[in-house]
Amino acid sequence: AQSVTQPDIHITVSEGASLELRCNYSYGATPYLFWYVQSPGQGLQLLLKYFSGDTLVQGIKGFEAEFKRSQSSFNLRKPSVHWSDAAEYFCAVNSGYSTLTFGKGTMLLVSP
Amino acid sequence: NAGVTQTPKFRVLKTGQSMTLLCAQDMNHEYMYWYRQDPGMGLRLIHYSVGEGTTAKGEVPDGYNVSRLKKQNFLLGLESAAPSQTSVYFCASSYSDRGNVLTFGAGSRLTVL
Repeated sequence: AQSVTQPDIHITVSEGASLELRCNYSYGATPYLFWYVQSPGQGLQLLLKYFSGDTLVQGIKGFEAEFKRSQSSFNLRKPSVHWSDAAEYFCAVNSGYSTLTFGKGTMLLVSP
Repeated sequence: NAGVTQTPKFRVLKTGQSMTLLCAQDMNHEYMYWYRQDPGMGLRLIHYSVGEGTTAKGEVPDGYNVSRLKKQNFLLGLESAAPSQTSVYFCASSYSDRGNVLTFGAGSRLTVL
């Protein structure tokens, strides 16, 4: 069965500092990987996705993620965080089933 | 372009009451999903549908029923609501299961007293 682990429940980053949110998945082959963002009171919005090819993928709002097969990881990064990035971030995996499996989420807090 | 629309946005029920949440999408998507979101639990799949007239169980299906009589609509029903079903419910849809890029609705907050 596919599963996703986001080790950090909360992360606080100063505005302008860099950000890395961790995501690990369990699946034998290369899955489809996603990062979604949820602002308070809103639905989820796709940030970026990885299907195959270049292991560094670019998304919206200046985010990027790197797929590392050897570490079963798909970490999300941003070089300089803005206050508007404060939200909850979800990693998700699809490994051939008809459904996505989501991690439990990481809440990003941005301090002035 | 409305995308995915959920109604109602908020609802308060008493234990044992029944209700239906409606999800409508205007993107001609084949696949539709109902998730529930609880603090610290992420999103958990309740039921899903791979096309009109089909439904399948997800991770947490107990206490819920669904129907997909029309391609654009996916209904989630609670026959006898319980406090454990207090949650935020999200509907999502996708064009296919390959890659599964989901479009989400804004959510429906349900409180069961």
